[in-house]
Amino acid sequence: DAMVIQNPRYQVTQFGKPVTLSCSQTLNHNVMYWYQQKSSQAPKLLFHYYDKDFNNEADTPDNFQSRRPNTSFCFLDIRSPGLGDAAMYLCATSRDGGNQYFGPGTRLLVL
Amino acid sequence: AQSVTQLDSHVSVSEGTPVLLRCNYSSSYSPSLFWYVQHPNKGLQLLLKYTSAATLVKGINGFEAEFKKSETSFHLTKPSAHMSDAAEYFCVVRLVAGNNRKLIWGLGTSLAVNP
Repeated sequence: DAMVIQNPRYQVTQFGKPVTLSCSQTLNHNVMYWYQQKSSQAPKLLFHYYDKDFNNEADTPDNFQSRRPNTSFCFLDIRSPGLGDAAMYLCATSRDGGNQYFGPGTRLLVL
Repeated sequence: AQSVTQLDSHVSVSEGTPVLLRCNYSSSYSPSLFWYVQHPNKGLQLLLKYTSAATLVKGINGFEAEFKKSETSFHLTKPSAHMSDAAEYFCVVRLVAGNNRKLIWGLGTSLAVNP
């Protein structure tokens, strides 16, 4: 089945230690999104790639970066995680900004 | 500006009774509207969407929603709740600005289903 895959499902890191979350998709969608979702809140868009064009949300901290080496893969890099960055991170894809298909998420814990 | 308001942060129903989750939207033009469901510790799943076709939209798992332009509403309903429906539900409007298409999320409604 075509899908959006996120690895790992759970990630534990230390305060200030860089961490990378991974997303891959077999849908061949040209748009990929990263969301942050904290407990009992709606997902918050961090940034998205429309093809190779990177679109950062105005309020996304500089601590968060992203890479998209090819159509199928997209990475979320957190350069110096703080305690406030503990959250569920959701990857989504779409075709030309249409319906978004979500992965299962990676839950990040910062110690 | 586009926005979406979910009128109830928490709804509790008994199994077998109807479900109503309320959503109002604000949009300067004809919106695309969605309902997503999120079960505990799981990703988001699209329940249904409205994109200017039929105003009554049927989704998965017996859910449906009716787009009412005069009331700027897109309420989600189900005739008979099942225990497995307990989850968080998000009403979403899609913002379109040039090539930028992003989702504007409601704050969510937590649905509890009691036996």
